[in-house]
Amino acid sequence: DIQMAQSPSTLSASVGDRVTITCRASQSISSRLAWYQQKPGKAPKLLIYKASNLKSQVPSRFSGSGSGTEFTLTISSLQPDDFATYFCHQYSTYSWTFGQGTKVEIK
Amino acid sequence: EEQLVESGGDLVQPGGSLRLSCAASGLNVGDNYMTWVRQAPGRGLEWVSVIFSAGNTYYADSVQGRFTISRDTSKNTLFLEMNNLRADDTAMYYCVKGFDPWGQGTLVIVSS
Repeated sequence: DIQMAQSPSTLSASVGDRVTITCRASQSISSRLAWYQQKPGKAPKLLIYKASNLKSQVPSRFSGSGSGTEFTLTISSLQPDDFATYFCHQYSTYSWTFGQGTKVEIK
Repeated sequence: EEQLVESGGDLVQPGGSLRLSCAASGLNVGDNYMTWVRQAPGRGLEWVSVIFSAGNTYYADSVQGRFTISRDTSKNTLFLEMNNLRADDTAMYYCVKGFDPWGQGTLVIVSS
């Protein structure tokens, strides 16, 4: 299975901060990577697919980049609604794997 | 609007069985690859199984031989038959079309 190493596991930030989360794949996954936001008690919500494509109606402060084995999710100006846990997800093979998650907390 | 609604989660004893359902609206389960993903309490996400539009199925090693994914296109519903359940199967189970949207999840607790 392809392993996804996500960092950091926890991130403390303030409203307005620029935030970057990284995922590294154990082998090349081309651009077959998605990013999700999850809030407590809720299902994950898709933010980014194909590494850099923003899902419709997702705020433009979210962006994704990378290909191959290194990927980043950036929130350009953190908003109160953005405090949540974020997961990366590779779908290069049918045996999906996910990063362990990054919890974005209020500083 | 595409929507998925899971049901069937319950408290079950180790060794028991459950069948989860995922009712779809706004999409056809037979035309898409459909996946089950689970999340143990306070933990990350784990892929469980997938069924492709052609009908081929695949399973995570942790559930191979115990779980069966299937669909009923006449009811537009996805299923996950779970047998010989273990404590480490305790999780919220989500169905997913492709990789979006996700249902709201159904909780399975395996405990004596």
